[in-house]
Amino acid sequence: DIVMTQSPDSLAVSLGERATINCKSSRSVLYSSNNKNYLAWYQRKPGQPPKLLIYWASTRESGVPDRFSGSGSGTDFTLTISSLQAEDVAIYYCQQYFSTPITFGPGTKVDIK
Amino acid sequence: QLQLQESGPGLVKPSETLSLTCTVSGGSISSRNYYWAWIRQPPGKGLEWIGSVDYSGSTYYNPSNKSRVTISVETSKDQFSLKLRSLSAADTAVYYCARHNVMPGWFDPWGQGTLVTVSS
Repeated sequence: DIVMTQSPDSLAVSLGERATINCKSSRSVLYSSNNKNYLAWYQRKPGQPPKLLIYWASTRESGVPDRFSGSGSGTDFTLTISSLQAEDVAIYYCQQYFSTPITFGPGTKVDIK
Repeated sequence: QLQLQESGPGLVKPSETLSLTCTVSGGSISSRNYYWAWIRQPPGKGLEWIGSVDYSGSTYYNPSNKSRVTISVETSKDQFSLKLRSLSAADTAVYYCARHNVMPGWFDPWGQGTLVTVSS
């Protein structure tokens, strides 16, 4: 299985400031034949299901604000919220779909400082 | 807009079988382009993919629980189902259904989730 880890476990950021979440996979999720990273990011707010933010490591889902961006390749990835808004308070998860079983990171909780 | 809704019991006894159904609306489960998944999250723990099914009934399971899981599809009702046998307290979780477009793939959208508690 590909094990996903995230850091930090939680972070508190002032409104308007940048939030950075890291995700690491135990094996590369870069498929060399198409040069795509099989990595997605989700946002989960209390009482709601996870919402897809980003797939292919950096492709923003339709309707997702452009303050959310994904980067990285191979085994190391980052989700950046460029200017934190109050509605961004949530838990963020990364997920690999390079191979089965599909696995998720443990989550990073983002709060307002 | 595609919507998914889980249904089933909120409380199940240890050693029994959990049966959950996901009803798809705003689209057809018969589309050859999609797969239909079950994912769970125990309290205070991470998300775990349980398994997926496609329109034809082909299944893909997480080896962690493969011996206890059956996922099936009923295209005439636009539903797919999860059966999890030999329950223990460790199976207490919020169970989500979701769609993905490739196998394996990312999940979108998700159902609201249903809390299942395993307790006598």
